[in-house]
Amino acid sequence: GENVEQHPSTLSVQEGDSAVIKCTYSDSASNYFPWYKQELGKRPQLIIDIRSNVGEKKDQRIAVTLNKTAKHFSLHITETQPEDSAVYFCAAKGTGTASKLTFGTGTRLQVTL
Amino acid sequence: EPEVTQTPSHQVTQMGQEVILRCVPISNHLYFYWYRQILGQKVEFLVSFYNNEISEKSEIFDDQFSVERPDGSNFTLKIRSTKLEDSAMYFCASSDWDRGPFGSGTRLTVV
Repeated sequence: GENVEQHPSTLSVQEGDSAVIKCTYSDSASNYFPWYKQELGKRPQLIIDIRSNVGEKKDQRIAVTLNKTAKHFSLHITETQPEDSAVYFCAAKGTGTASKLTFGTGTRLQVTL
Repeated sequence: EPEVTQTPSHQVTQMGQEVILRCVPISNHLYFYWYRQILGQKVEFLVSFYNNEISEKSEIFDDQFSVERPDGSNFTLKIRSTKLEDSAMYFCASSDWDRGPFGSGTRLTVV
Protein backbone atom coordinates (compact mmCIF):
# COMPACT_ATOMS: atom_id res chain seq x y z
CA GLY A 1 0.00 0.00 0.00
CA GLU A 2 0.88 3.67 -0.14
CA ASN A 3 3.45 5.07 2.28
CA VAL A 4 3.95 8.80 2.76
CA GLU A 5 6.98 10.19 4.55
CA GLN A 6 7.16 13.79 5.71
CA HIS A 7 10.07 15.97 6.87
CA PRO A 8 10.89 17.77 9.03
CA SER A 9 8.78 16.81 12.03
CA THR A 10 9.25 20.27 13.55
CA LEU A 11 10.19 23.54 11.92
CA SER A 12 10.79 26.88 13.56
CA VAL A 13 11.09 30.01 11.42
CA GLN A 14 11.11 33.71 12.09
CA GLU A 15 8.18 35.78 10.98
CA GLY A 16 8.66 36.83 7.37
CA ASP A 17 10.92 33.91 6.49
CA SER A 18 9.94 31.04 4.21
CA ALA A 19 9.07 27.51 5.31
CA VAL A 20 9.40 24.36 3.24
CA ILE A 21 7.95 20.97 4.11
CA LYS A 22 8.75 17.91 2.02
CA CYS A 23 6.96 14.64 1.42
CA THR A 24 7.69 11.51 -0.53
CA TYR A 25 5.24 8.84 -1.54
CA SER A 26 5.73 5.26 -2.63
CA ASP A 27 2.82 4.43 -4.95
CA SER A 28 3.42 5.80 -8.44
CA ALA A 29 -0.33 5.40 -9.11
CA SER A 30 -1.18 8.14 -6.60
CA ASN A 31 -2.53 11.14 -8.45
CA TYR A 32 -3.85 13.64 -5.92
CA PHE A 33 -1.77 15.36 -3.25
CA PRO A 34 -3.46 17.66 -0.74
CA TRP A 35 -1.92 19.60 2.12
CA TYR A 36 -3.78 20.17 5.36
CA LYS A 37 -3.31 22.61 8.19
CA GLN A 38 -4.45 21.46 11.60
CA GLU A 39 -4.71 23.73 14.59
CA LEU A 40 -4.89 22.28 18.08
CA GLY A 41 -8.13 20.42 18.66
CA LYS A 42 -9.50 21.23 15.20
CA ARG A 43 -10.13 19.29 12.02
CA PRO A 44 -7.55 19.14 9.22
CA GLN A 45 -8.28 22.00 6.81
CA LEU A 46 -7.33 21.73 3.17
CA ILE A 47 -5.03 24.60 2.24
CA ILE A 48 -3.82 23.60 -1.20
CA ASP A 49 -3.78 20.54 -3.42
CA ILE A 50 -2.21 19.40 -6.64
CA ARG A 51 -3.04 16.72 -9.15
CA SER A 52 -0.46 14.58 -10.90
CA ASN A 53 -0.85 16.31 -14.26
CA VAL A 54 0.46 19.59 -12.79
CA GLY A 55 3.97 20.38 -11.57
CA GLU A 56 3.32 23.46 -9.49
CA LYS A 57 0.40 25.38 -8.02
CA LYS A 58 0.34 28.65 -6.14
CA ASP A 59 -2.23 30.38 -3.97
CA GLN A 60 -1.05 33.69 -2.54
CA ARG A 61 1.71 32.85 -0.02
CA ILE A 62 1.36 29.09 -0.41
CA ALA A 63 2.72 26.94 -3.22
CA VAL A 64 3.03 23.23 -3.83
CA THR A 65 5.43 21.51 -6.20
CA LEU A 66 5.25 17.94 -7.44
CA ASN A 67 8.01 15.81 -8.95
CA LYS A 68 6.30 12.66 -10.20
CA THR A 69 9.51 11.03 -11.33
CA ALA A 70 11.08 11.32 -7.91
CA LYS A 71 7.74 10.90 -6.11
CA HIS A 72 8.32 14.07 -4.09
CA PHE A 73 6.02 16.94 -3.32
CA SER A 74 6.66 20.01 -1.22
CA LEU A 75 4.77 22.82 0.48
CA HIS A 76 6.27 26.29 0.39
CA ILE A 77 4.99 29.08 2.61
CA THR A 78 6.46 32.52 2.01
CA GLU A 79 6.36 35.58 4.29
CA THR A 80 5.32 33.45 7.24
CA GLN A 81 3.08 34.97 9.89
CA PRO A 82 2.39 33.85 13.49
CA GLU A 83 -1.03 32.57 12.40
CA ASP A 84 0.71 30.07 10.13
CA SER A 85 1.80 28.22 13.28
CA ALA A 86 0.07 24.81 13.21
CA VAL A 87 0.67 21.19 12.27
CA TYR A 88 0.81 20.59 8.53
CA PHE A 89 0.05 17.21 6.97
CA CYS A 90 0.69 16.08 3.44
CA ALA A 91 -1.37 13.27 1.95
CA ALA A 92 -1.57 11.16 -1.18
CA LYS A 93 -4.58 9.62 -2.83
CA GLY A 94 -4.61 6.86 -5.41
CA THR A 95 -6.80 6.17 -8.37
CA GLY A 96 -9.89 4.05 -8.10
CA THR A 97 -13.30 4.44 -6.61
CA ALA A 98 -13.35 5.98 -3.14
CA SER A 99 -9.58 5.90 -2.82
CA LYS A 100 -8.34 6.77 0.63
CA LEU A 101 -5.98 9.52 1.69
CA THR A 102 -2.69 8.31 3.15
CA PHE A 103 -1.23 10.95 5.43
CA GLY A 104 2.29 11.90 6.33
CA THR A 105 3.33 12.12 9.96
CA GLY A 106 2.95 15.89 10.16
CA THR A 107 5.19 18.91 10.59
CA ARG A 108 4.76 21.23 13.53
CA LEU A 109 5.51 24.73 12.22
CA GLN A 110 6.29 27.44 14.74
CA VAL A 111 6.55 31.00 13.47
CA THR A 112 8.32 33.19 15.98
CA LEU A 113 8.23 36.98 16.21
CA GLU B 1 -19.99 26.55 1.92
CA PRO B 2 -21.45 23.08 2.66
CA GLU B 3 -20.01 21.28 5.63
CA VAL B 4 -19.75 17.76 6.93
CA THR B 5 -21.30 17.66 10.38
CA GLN B 6 -20.53 15.17 13.13
CA THR B 7 -22.20 14.35 16.41
CA PRO B 8 -21.45 14.14 19.23
CA SER B 9 -18.42 16.40 19.47
CA HIS B 10 -17.20 14.51 22.53
CA GLN B 11 -18.15 11.08 23.84
CA VAL B 12 -16.91 9.43 27.00
CA THR B 13 -17.64 5.73 27.31
CA GLN B 14 -16.66 2.84 29.51
CA MET B 15 -14.47 0.10 28.12
CA GLY B 16 -16.58 -2.64 26.55
CA GLN B 17 -19.50 -0.36 25.74
CA GLU B 18 -20.83 0.24 22.25
CA VAL B 19 -20.63 3.69 20.68
CA ILE B 20 -22.15 5.12 17.53
CA LEU B 21 -20.58 8.14 15.91
CA ARG B 22 -22.75 10.06 13.49
CA CYS B 23 -21.95 12.05 10.38
CA VAL B 24 -24.00 13.98 7.87
CA PRO B 25 -21.98 14.17 4.65
CA ILE B 26 -22.42 16.84 1.99
CA SER B 27 -25.61 15.97 0.17
CA ASN B 28 -24.37 15.50 -3.38
CA HIS B 29 -21.18 13.66 -2.45
CA LEU B 30 -20.87 10.01 -3.35
CA TYR B 31 -17.87 8.86 -1.35
CA PHE B 32 -17.71 8.69 2.42
CA TYR B 33 -14.83 8.01 4.76
CA TRP B 34 -13.95 7.56 8.38
CA TYR B 35 -10.50 8.44 9.68
CA ARG B 36 -9.13 8.54 13.17
CA GLN B 37 -6.34 10.49 14.82
CA ILE B 38 -4.80 9.43 18.09
CA LEU B 39 -3.65 12.47 20.06
CA GLY B 40 -0.40 13.84 18.66
CA GLN B 41 -0.27 11.40 15.77
CA LYS B 42 -1.13 11.40 12.10
CA VAL B 43 -4.56 10.90 10.57
CA GLU B 44 -5.23 7.23 9.78
CA PHE B 45 -7.72 5.80 7.32
CA LEU B 46 -10.38 3.46 8.68
CA VAL B 47 -12.92 2.81 5.95
CA SER B 48 -14.38 4.14 2.72
CA PHE B 49 -17.96 3.70 1.57
CA TYR B 50 -19.50 4.03 -1.87
CA ASN B 51 -22.76 2.91 -3.41
CA ASN B 52 -24.03 1.61 -0.08
CA GLU B 53 -21.13 -0.69 0.56
CA ILE B 54 -17.61 -0.65 1.94
CA SER B 55 -15.03 0.08 -0.75
CA GLU B 56 -11.92 -0.38 1.34
CA LYS B 57 -11.02 -0.86 4.97
CA SER B 58 -7.77 -0.68 6.87
CA GLU B 59 -6.27 -3.16 9.30
CA ILE B 60 -7.60 -0.99 12.13
CA PHE B 61 -11.17 -1.59 10.95
CA ASP B 62 -11.62 -5.02 12.49
CA ASP B 63 -14.80 -6.91 13.43
CA GLN B 64 -15.50 -4.47 16.25
CA PHE B 65 -16.17 -1.71 13.71
CA SER B 66 -19.08 -1.28 11.31
CA VAL B 67 -20.47 1.47 9.13
CA GLU B 68 -23.97 2.18 7.89
CA ARG B 69 -25.98 4.68 5.92
CA PRO B 70 -29.22 4.02 7.78
CA ASP B 71 -31.43 6.60 6.05
CA GLY B 72 -29.62 7.72 2.91
CA SER B 73 -28.20 10.86 4.52
CA ASN B 74 -26.53 9.94 7.80
CA PHE B 75 -23.35 7.89 7.86
CA THR B 76 -22.51 6.13 11.11
CA LEU B 77 -19.50 4.39 12.60
CA LYS B 78 -20.22 1.84 15.29
CA ILE B 79 -17.64 0.41 17.64
CA ARG B 80 -19.16 -2.65 19.26
CA SER B 81 -16.99 -3.13 22.32
CA THR B 82 -14.69 -0.20 22.93
CA LYS B 83 -11.11 -0.60 24.11
CA LEU B 84 -8.86 1.95 25.76
CA GLU B 85 -6.83 2.20 22.55
CA ASP B 86 -9.93 3.33 20.63
CA SER B 87 -9.59 6.72 22.34
CA ALA B 88 -8.98 9.17 19.51
CA MET B 89 -10.53 11.86 17.33
CA TYR B 90 -12.74 10.34 14.69
CA PHE B 91 -13.23 12.34 11.51
CA CYS B 92 -15.82 11.75 8.84
CA ALA B 93 -15.17 13.02 5.32
CA SER B 94 -17.07 13.04 2.07
CA SER B 95 -16.02 13.82 -1.46
CA ASP B 96 -17.36 14.15 -4.96
CA TRP B 97 -14.24 12.57 -6.43
CA ASP B 98 -10.90 13.42 -4.87
CA ARG B 99 -11.54 16.59 -2.90
CA GLY B 100 -13.79 16.87 0.11
CA PRO B 101 -13.81 18.33 3.61
CA PHE B 102 -13.43 16.70 6.97
CA GLY B 103 -16.10 17.01 9.61
CA SER B 104 -15.32 18.71 12.90
CA GLY B 105 -14.68 15.36 14.53
CA THR B 106 -15.83 13.35 17.53
CA ARG B 107 -13.41 13.04 20.41
CA LEU B 108 -13.91 9.54 21.83
CA THR B 109 -12.55 8.89 25.28
CA VAL B 110 -12.69 5.31 26.55
CA VAL B 111 -12.23 4.96 30.32
